[in-house]
Amino acid sequence: RKEVEQDPGPFNVPEGATVAFNCTYSNSASQSFFWYRQDCRKEPKLLMSVYSSGNEDGRFTAQLNRASQYISLLIRDSKLSDSATYLCVVNMETFLSGSARQLTFGSGTQLTVLP
Amino acid sequence: DADVTQTPRNRITKTGKRIMLECSQTKGHDRMYWYRQDPGLGLQLIYYSFDVKDINKGEISDGYSVSRQAQAKFSLSLESAIPNQTALYFCATSDPTMTADTQYFGPGTRLTVL
Repeated sequence: RKEVEQDPGPFNVPEGATVAFNCTYSNSASQSFFWYRQDCRKEPKLLMSVYSSGNEDGRFTAQLNRASQYISLLIRDSKLSDSATYLCVVNMETFLSGSARQLTFGSGTQLTVLP
Repeated sequence: DADVTQTPRNRITKTGKRIMLECSQTKGHDRMYWYRQDPGLGLQLIYYSFDVKDINKGEISDGYSVSRQAQAKFSLSLESAIPNQTALYFCATSDPTMTADTQYFGPGTRLTVL
């Protein structure tokens, strides 16, 4: 089982639609969670962190369910510019000679917003 | 100017050749990382360094080596390249004083081994 699993998609949605992505993680000791966005052939960039209480940034809402070990990202009123691959990222902290943080990346969910 | 730069951006080489990928950053971060990305797979950590004297293997370090020449520079070497090392390679930095420990990525190096 992969440590971080995502539905690869692709998700093809019309402009203005609401779309949701889920991600599951295997390590219950995971400490922090993120969504990164990666445009085609570009580097990943942080979209938002995911907090236990849920958090919102404009049209984007992230939720964390620790009991079920999943993370979600909701995009409302999709724009053409939202087309990208969305990476679920989990910080599974290990302790090697002090605090050592490693991020584990999901393989990404591809979103295409259609005109 | 980009905060994290990688050279070269594209490289085609032959099996058995030695290749070095270079990464420089102006963010002043102590932590630097090398990842590879293959189609359909997530980013996989090759090596990471928490300061100039600290180098650690990631999940897929076999066939790779690194050098942390300075706080701002972290190089990845393939001593004898093989075709299954064809991938997109990213360097990243992070600041451990930030709660979220956000990683900042370079633009990537697309490596093809023939």
